[in-house]
Amino acid sequence: DVKVTQSSRYLVKRTGEKVFLECVQDMDHENMFWYRQDPGLGLRLIYFSYDVKMKEKGDIPEGYSVSREKKERFSLILESASTNQTSMYLCASSLAGAPNQPQHFGDGTRLSIL
Amino acid sequence: AQKITQTQPGMFVQEKEAVTLDCTYDTSDPSYGLFWYKQPSSGEMIFLIYQGSYDQQNATEGRYSLNFQKARKSANLVISASQLGDSAMYFCAMRAKNTGNQFYFGTGTSLTVIP
Repeated sequence: DVKVTQSSRYLVKRTGEKVFLECVQDMDHENMFWYRQDPGLGLRLIYFSYDVKMKEKGDIPEGYSVSREKKERFSLILESASTNQTSMYLCASSLAGAPNQPQHFGDGTRLSIL
Repeated sequence: AQKITQTQPGMFVQEKEAVTLDCTYDTSDPSYGLFWYKQPSSGEMIFLIYQGSYDQQNATEGRYSLNFQKARKSANLVISASQLGDSAMYFCAMRAKNTGNQFYFGTGTSLTVIP
């Protein structure tokens, strides 16, 4: 089974802090994604990556950056955390070139910015 | 542009009854896949079922089936014999060939199963 592991289930940080959310997958997937989830808004794509050192902006990249130095690891960085970034963050991975394959998700990180 | 619409923010169903969760989609790509996910209150997203645009038959996985009506661009999830553990958020998603790597999600439907 595919395993996507997010470093924290719950995280509390203060405004202005630099926050790192880590995600690791163990199935050699090319594609990795970061979403944020807010009630009534569904999943919104922040960034995705289809290869090492490659990244693409999603729908809401402002205030975030990402890093993918190794194929299995995709990090989301909040450069200077703000209260409006309090949310649930979900990491996912998928195979490239396989439209019948689903995304596989981590358990999510509930981030609170105080 | 790809778009997924789920018009039911919340649904209730009696235990052991069947329930249908609606999903419509919009794409100009003839090759696409449709996915349903379940998200319990604990937060993890669980993949349930897949339907390909060229599949001739509706997909089924245990108590889950997909009512795929291609001409109407709908892909409704049917859960038969509802159980209390089915209470969760359900998301419909699409992946189209011409946008390769991206998935597009609806806003979700919250299902509550009543004993």
